[in-house]
Amino acid sequence: GAVVSQHPSWVICKSGTSVKIECRSLDFQATTMFWYRQFPKQSLMLMATSNEGSKATYEQGVEKDKFLINHASLTLSTLTVTSAHPEDSSFYICSARGLASSYNEQFFGPGTRLTVL
Amino acid sequence: GDSVTQMEGPVTLSEEAFLTINCTYTATGYPSLFWYVQYPGEGLQLLLKATKADDKGSNKGFEATYRKETTSFHLEKGSVQVSDSAVYFCALSDRRTSGSRLTFGEGTQLTVNP
Repeated sequence: GAVVSQHPSWVICKSGTSVKIECRSLDFQATTMFWYRQFPKQSLMLMATSNEGSKATYEQGVEKDKFLINHASLTLSTLTVTSAHPEDSSFYICSARGLASSYNEQFFGPGTRLTVL
Repeated sequence: GDSVTQMEGPVTLSEEAFLTINCTYTATGYPSLFWYVQYPGEGLQLLLKATKADDKGSNKGFEATYRKETTSFHLEKGSVQVSDSAVYFCALSDRRTSGSRLTFGEGTQLTVNP
């Protein structure tokens, strides 16, 4: 149990376009989802925390208008990188946490590699 | 605020060698401690965890003991394999002060040679 998927696993886009990344909890209801960004050979940086049905809470320095997060259901959260630029190229990882005790920790997705040309 | 410090990498070992990756933490509350592993091109997988002082987490031959007196959670394995090559992250979560968010260390790259 506790499987989290991300789609797509990798994406290449042109500068100025928008890219949507999906994060799904496949076998549990995720009341909270987290979005991280990871640069090569670096640790994970938390971008935002989203609770189902409410607005995401962004970390300091993360532009909420550039990284749009929607957590519309208990199994799906999306991250949209708007007007992407080469500096947005990174590995984006989501995690999900449920309410039930067996899911009351963060379970991570496999990540999405974004390359902006 | 909370923080995690890991030993700097990269670490290169021969197969069957003993592994230690040091991790120390700073927290105002009573955190849970975790080790995550990240294989190339993949997301993070929980390797082991400990939720209170003196707890020992173990999985796949890896062990770590929650030491409150030294604020440490060092990862050990008696005999590493080539398949253990990955990046290892130490992390903490303190529900009472930071909700369910995780604070990660910098990560330690481990390479095991045959």
